[in-house]
Amino acid sequence: DAKTTQPTSMDCAEGRAANLPCNHSTISGNEYVYWYRQIHSQGPQYIIHGLKNNETNEMASLIITEDRKSSTLILPHATLRDTAVYYCIVRVAGAGNMLTFGGGTRLMVKP
Amino acid sequence: DTAVSQTPKYLVTQMGNDKSIKCEQNLGHDTMYWYKQDSKKFLKIMFSYNNKELIINETVPNRFSPKSPDKAHLNLHINSLELGDSAVYFCASSQVRGASDTQYFGPGTRLTVL
Repeated sequence: DAKTTQPTSMDCAEGRAANLPCNHSTISGNEYVYWYRQIHSQGPQYIIHGLKNNETNEMASLIITEDRKSSTLILPHATLRDTAVYYCIVRVAGAGNMLTFGGGTRLMVKP
Repeated sequence: DTAVSQTPKYLVTQMGNDKSIKCEQNLGHDTMYWYKQDSKKFLKIMFSYNNKELIINETVPNRFSPKSPDKAHLNLHINSLELGDSAVYFCASSQVRGASDTQYFGPGTRLTVL
């Protein structure tokens, strides 16, 4: 799986959009970009994934650059409960492939 | 309803003991996993298992062994526990549907070896 680079930590004001960047310059054509998060002391939680088109669900939006070398996870209206470590993972989808977690970004949402 | 459950939530034991952590999923998934999160908070895959194949991370000591009595369960057995085995262990499951194989994680089991 391709390697990803994320900032170690970020702050965001409550109610504002949180934009979390991820670089994956060595991504292959068949690799998807996945985002998971881990709220303190809980198991990781799936957020969203995409191949090349932008994606949106009830939790977040995923913007992938045209060259697919980077992406941004957007939490449109961050709340205190969004404080967590966010992991960007690049991998081939399907076949029960395992997730390889990096260090992630620790997002702190502040009142 | 809990999708992926683990027991126990906390496990404290002495070095050299043998212990098991149980995992059950009620999602009907065909693949289950075990991950380890150490004190530095790095999450590492240990095993991936479905009814056809066991994939082992080569760095996992053979003291660790997954056992699956049926499709809904993947238990983790650990022999001769060592201090370095202290960590939080997460079970997960997934079902491949086209390009989507979202993994659902359990709440974790915090293992402390004294």
